Amino acid sequence: AQSVTQLDSHVSVSEGTPVLLRCNYSSSYSPSLFWYVQHPNKGLQLLLKYTSAATLVKGINGFEAEFKKSETSFHLTKPSAHMSDAAEYFCVVSDPRDDKIIFGKGTRLHILP
Amino acid sequence: GAVVSQHPSRVICKSGTSVKIECRSLDFQATTMFWYRQFPKQSLMLMATSNEGSKATYEQGVEKDKFLINHASLTLSTLTVTSAHPEDSSFYICSAQMVHEQFFGPGTRLTVL
Repeated sequence: AQSVTQLDSHVSVSEGTPVLLRCNYSSSYSPSLFWYVQHPNKGLQLLLKYTSAATLVKGINGFEAEFKKSETSFHLTKPSAHMSDAAEYFCVVSDPRDDKIIFGKGTRLHILP
Repeated sequence: GAVVSQHPSRVICKSGTSVKIECRSLDFQATTMFWYRQFPKQSLMLMATSNEGSKATYEQGVEKDKFLINHASLTLSTLTVTSAHPEDSSFYICSAQMVHEQFFGPGTRLTVL
């Protein structure tokens, strides 16, 4: 069975400082992993995805994530936070057998001025 | 990029009425679409998988007679919430699958009075 765990429900960082949103996954198969962002009352936007190519994945808006199989992790990072980054972030794992995806519970990122 | 639309974006209805939500893939064909539900400050939960030309597959705990899904064409899936009640108030999001990636609609906020 597949699962995904986002370790922090809330993260607060100051503007201009690094962002780290943690995600661990469990999968019996080689998973595809995604990070999505959801701004208030908006739909989901894909930040980046890992699909068994390069382990360090670069996404939009300066975000990147590193797939670490030994740690079963796919943490999302950004070197310098911007006020516009305040949103809910979802880590997602996809089952390669049927393409069903499982969402983490989300991490709300707060940016302090 | 692949674009998915949903209509309406927001709907308010009286208890006991039915509401139809449309999900369209605008620039690609999708044999598979997914419907999700998101309660306030919660993660998305998969409700059902909609396959063009066949019956939808519902997740455990989702009432198929209450949430009617029709996927009549390769670009349109509809979700009808029948005899809606206040507890059905939620944010409903669809996604359309292309290859092994899902593209999300902007969501529909349903409020049942």
